Amino acid sequence: KQEVTQIPAALSVPEGENLVLNCSFTDSAIYNLQWFRQDPGKGLTSLLLIQSSQREQTSGRLNASLDKSSGRSTLYIAASQPGDSATYLCAVTGSQGNLIFGKGTKLSVKP
Amino acid sequence: DGGITQSPKYLFRKEGQNVTLSCEQNLNHDAMYWYRQDPGQGLRLIYYSQIVNDFQKGDIAEGYSVSREKKESFPLTVTSAQKNPTAFYLCASSMPPYEQYFGPGTRLTVT
Repeated sequence: KQEVTQIPAALSVPEGENLVLNCSFTDSAIYNLQWFRQDPGKGLTSLLLIQSSQREQTSGRLNASLDKSSGRSTLYIAASQPGDSATYLCAVTGSQGNLIFGKGTKLSVKP
Repeated sequence: DGGITQSPKYLFRKEGQNVTLSCEQNLNHDAMYWYRQDPGQGLRLIYYSQIVNDFQKGDIAEGYSVSREKKESFPLTVTSAQKNPTAFYLCASSMPPYEQYFGPGTRLTVT
């Protein structure tokens, strides 16, 4: 059964730092990997989708990489800002299109 | 404006009552999903539907029911058989390659 783990569970950094969030999964037979952002009490906002044939995707200050063979993905956030404070969720796509989620990393960026 | 709407945002019910959560999408997506989120846990899949008039159970379907009579709509009923219904419920939709888009969620409280 696929399991997704995110480390660390929480992270606090000063504004301006570059940071890395980690995601690992136990079964490398995935279709895609998706990173989301969730603000308190809100739904999920899709940040990046990496298809299984891709190695990375970039959007603005965000860069996500995927290494299927080792079962790992990282989300790199450059020059962090207080507005980046949120919970970041990693999820892998199963064969039916459903997502299997990690528990998330709660990020706090201090001014 | 394309997107996913969920209503209501907050819902309060007495124990023993059935309640139906609404999810509508105008993205023309074939697949729709219901997830449940509890504090400190990742999102867990309740039901999903890849086509009208067809749906499958997810990991935690007990005590829930769904219907998919229209492509745009995928309502979720929380029945009195669900032992711990208080949670945050999220609806999503997707098309291949299965990038999922989420609605704003419904917070259900049962007392």
